[in-house]
Amino acid sequence: DTGVSQDPRHKITKRGQNVTFRCDPISEHNRLYWYRQTLGQGPEFLTYFQNEAQLEKSRLLSDRFSAERPKGSFSTLEIQRTEQGDSAMYLCASSLKLSPFFGPGTRLTVL
Amino acid sequence: AQKITQTQPGMFVQEKEAVTLDCTYDTSDQSYGLFWYKQPSSGEMIFLIYQGSYDEQNATEGRYSLNFQKARKSANLVISASQLGDSAMYFCAMTRRLANSKLTFGKGITLSVRP
Repeated sequence: DTGVSQDPRHKITKRGQNVTFRCDPISEHNRLYWYRQTLGQGPEFLTYFQNEAQLEKSRLLSDRFSAERPKGSFSTLEIQRTEQGDSAMYLCASSLKLSPFFGPGTRLTVL
Repeated sequence: AQKITQTQPGMFVQEKEAVTLDCTYDTSDQSYGLFWYKQPSSGEMIFLIYQGSYDEQNATEGRYSLNFQKARKSANLVISASQLGDSAMYFCAMTRRLANSKLTFGKGITLSVRP
């Protein structure tokens, strides 16, 4: 399968714990995006990489959130000291030109 | 700032009939892109169709077509010959074409196809 993959697909954690998600983009895609989607809403942009450079971060991305793409391939999104409001679907997408392709998402539940 | 508006309540369509899903947008950019994505209950966002603001013809992809009316700032999705597998959430989104491809999404529309 050559699509975008994300791991894990589901994560349940207790408030205050740290979590890390991984995204593997389509291999030739140089752009990688993270979005967050809460129930009944459309995805909201979090951050964007072109190769290994993080070019834009949303104001939604508090200092508890950090994303990396160290070699311009896979990316990780870490949430420190999770809060119940962090419960959401975290979507990764990649693109080469204009049309981003999305992965299956990681569903986070913070208890 | 860019804004996408999807205000239709849940939509129902009979199998094999056509359905139109509405999308209006607001932007001060002259060059932009419009997208439609499908999100089934499994959660994955599936790219359906793209329309550039300078494209003179409406985009088509199989059973999907985008009715682009630039003056009205609307980009409605038309699905012809609906199938049961079309039941899903549908999101309209836009991007600034000459910048990065960050997408701004609407709230989505639920489509249910009846047998």
